[in-house]
Amino acid sequence: QVQLQESGPGLVKPSQTLSLTCTVSGGSISSDSYYWSWIRQPAGKGLEWIGRIYISGNTNYNPSLKTRVTISADTSKNQFSLKLNSVTAADTAVYYCARDSADYLYAFDLWGQGTMVTVSS
Amino acid sequence: DIQLTQSPSFLSASVGDRVTITCRASQGISNYLAWYQQKPGKAPKLLIYAASTLQSGVPSRFSGSGSGTEFTLTISSLQPEDFATYYCQQPNGYPRTFGGGTKVEIK
Repeated sequence: QVQLQESGPGLVKPSQTLSLTCTVSGGSISSDSYYWSWIRQPAGKGLEWIGRIYISGNTNYNPSLKTRVTISADTSKNQFSLKLNSVTAADTAVYYCARDSADYLYAFDLWGQGTMVTVSS
Repeated sequence: DIQLTQSPSFLSASVGDRVTITCRASQGISNYLAWYQQKPGKAPKLLIYAASTLQSGVPSRFSGSGSGTEFTLTISSLQPEDFATYYCQQPNGYPRTFGGGTKVEIK
């Protein structure tokens, strides 16, 4: 059974870089069937897609964050990562990693439990 | 960006009620529409994809319909475990976008 688990610092200072990792267990991130995304949710608010990566290295980003975001993958560790630079309090949110595929017409069929990141000095 | 407008944003209903949530897209997205259920402190859970296909393990009281710009999620007989927030999402274009959510609460 494939599972996703987010990890990283829960507190980041303003203007610094938020770095999170999603570890995939029970399956391979190298599968050519899947795309791997980051999604966030500020407290009490809706969901915002940040971007995704395919194993070829191809990435897609939300234009609203594109200048600050990098998503990468490490196949040797079966992980993919998010870096968001120049953070402000507006970046405080629960961050989820998720999977999509053509099997589900690119809906997110699998999610991590989420990790809370607070931006504060 | 493709905007998704959900209505209502809040719904108060009783156990056994039939509930319908609507999601309207700002442009046609064929059947590229998914529905998720989210409970407090938990990640969203996929209920329906391709507008009307029930995800494995999801109770049959959930159903989805629509195509193009108008979609609906129906719960035929609301159960206590269904009180949650529901989101639609479009995987047709970039960026992927979500509706604003519909919170279903107990009347």
